[in-house]
Amino acid sequence: GAVVSQHPSWVICKSGTSVKIECRSLDFQATTMFWYRQFPKQSLMLMATSNEGSKATYEQGVEKDKFLINHASLTLSTLTVTSAHPEDSSFYICSASQSGGANVLTFGAGSRLTVL
Amino acid sequence: QQQVKQSPQSLIVQKGGIPIINCAYENTAFDYFPWYQQFPGKGPALLIAIRPDVSEKKEGRFTISFNKSAKQFSLHIMDSQPGDSATYFCAASYGNKLVFGAGTILRVKS
Repeated sequence: GAVVSQHPSWVICKSGTSVKIECRSLDFQATTMFWYRQFPKQSLMLMATSNEGSKATYEQGVEKDKFLINHASLTLSTLTVTSAHPEDSSFYICSASQSGGANVLTFGAGSRLTVL
Repeated sequence: QQQVKQSPQSLIVQKGGIPIINCAYENTAFDYFPWYQQFPGKGPALLIAIRPDVSEKKEGRFTISFNKSAKQFSLHIMDSQPGDSATYFCAASYGNKLVFGAGTILRVKS
């Protein structure tokens, strides 16, 4: 079946630094990838939708300049948290769609970010 | 209109019991209703899904009941096992939008 790999699975960084998280579709081409953020014991909140070769579409309230998303190929999307602060500490999860829509999504295992 | 309301927030059942998780939506544009299972520290995994033209779908021990007129759907887990202990999310989607419910933490006691 479809597999989405996320890397790193966890990362600790100092406040003010930038962190990059990679999301790869291993056995299919993902025309669309989605990035979610999940706080402890809460639901997944969509941050942005990225389509290969075009700019990401951000949800209301998500800072574009802080959460940089790049979807340069059909198998790779990256999320860069710039100038990270402790409040950015969260579980970031990507998902990928083979069809381009949100009906059939495969989720990555998530990346736990802790900003000291 | 984009919300999906999920209840209960948490649920404890005995092994072999049948936990039921309920969800309700407002936006009639939703055309796909998946349920996801998430274990701690992991991403969600698709469990079962249904489209609004079907009133019930069963896969193994998991059953979705769907009431289009009431805009409600529910997940039933038959013969629940301790390994089913996880957080369950209902969701609803149309086009590029997938909206999650708040989640239900299920604990199955052995």
